[in-house]
Formats: sequence, C-alpha cells, structure tokens
Amino acid sequence: SQQGEEDPQALSIQEGENATMNCSYKTSINNLQWYRQNSGRGLVHLILIRSNEREKHSGRLRVTLDTSKKSSSLLITASRAADTASYFCATDKAGTALIFGKGTTLSVSS
Amino acid sequence: GAGVSQSPSNKVTEKGKDVELRCDPISGHTALYWYRQSLGQGLEFLIYFQGNSAPDKSGLPSDRFSAERTGGSVSTLTIQRTQQEDSAVYLCASSPVAEVRGYTFGSGTRLTVV
Repeated sequence: SQQGEEDPQALSIQEGENATMNCSYKTSINNLQWYRQNSGRGLVHLILIRSNEREKHSGRLRVTLDTSKKSSSLLITASRAADTASYFCATDKAGTALIFGKGTTLSVSS
Repeated sequence: GAGVSQSPSNKVTEKGKDVELRCDPISGHTALYWYRQSLGQGLEFLIYFQGNSAPDKSGLPSDRFSAERTGGSVSTLTIQRTQQEDSAVYLCASSPVAEVRGYTFGSGTRLTVV
C-alpha cells in the first residue's frame, strides 16, 4: 500500500522558475525522504527530514514537514533543464522499509 | 563496489519461464531492499533483508516470487512461471543499517515477459 501521495502528478515550468511539489501521508513517521528518478531507472536520494524537524535545506532544495497535517513539500529554486525528472517522497516507520508515493513528473523547459 | 549493481540490466523472457535477478549491494551495507516499478507508476515494495534474514516479505505479490541473500551480500530475486503482469523494472537498494538513512539504488533490471 502507498503511504505517500505526491501532488501535482505533473508539473511543467520554465528554467529559472521555482518548482513546488507536495506529499501527503497517512500514518505517523520517523522521517520523510525525497528522491529523484531520471529515465525510469535508479532513484537518487536528495534529502531526509526527521519527524522532529520542520525545515531543511540542501543547495537549491528546501523541504518542509508538517506532522500535524501529515504533509511535506519540496521546493526547487531557480530550476534548470537538468532538474527534469520524477520526484518521489518516501516515508518509513521503525523496522520497515521505505514506502514511496507515485511521484511528481517535473519538466523544465529552456 | 562503488555502487549497487544489478544484473541483468534487461531481460526478455517467455511467459511461464523462471527468471533470476541479481543485486550486489554496496560493501558493508547490511540492509537490502527490492522494489518493482511498473511503467509510469510508483515503487512497489517487495521485500527487505537485514543481513541474511528477511524481516518483511509482505510485499511479495505471490508465491511465485522468492528472494534470498547469502553472506550478507548478494541477493537474488526469483520469479517462477513468469506472467505478463510481472513485466516491470525491478529495483534494488541498500543502506548501511535498517534505520534512518537514505537508500542507494541500483539502475534496475527491466523485465519483459512476452
């Protein structure tokens, strides 16, 4: 069963614009992670935010977590064509593997 | 190795045949995970290993699917009597411990059952 659900399913923007993707989940979590996938193959870990954190930054990425609303957002600032990919949120509970959402497909055009 | 290695990268098999997919995790990573991804879909959890044992195999879709891990390293996922609905990309990931860490994924095996 899927724990996280990303929104929107697809997003198209121009280079230089910011991209915001949202993730909602259903049950309590220890942490939430975001991954990127290019060309339908292996995923790359982007950032991890723990349940007691509210915001985290990594380069052009900003992740927020609202445990009261069971939601997270991933903001990519000043997007580039190379950011074109699918983005997935994943949640875990102690002793289990990550459960991934269906992903947001981001297209950045130049 | 430097990354998670999966083989083969592509596999085309006839319906009814058995297939074996291999995953070689990063050296020293004790946790290993198998997922599958159908075209345009999210990742479906299959099974995970901590060392050689599988604490959670709840995601295996049927008894045609099995997996093992030996020596705390290489894992094989076996699908018996393949069906067309088994066609998907099978992804393997590993992490240092089964705790709060990001996973390192392999490039996957694309399985096509014809």
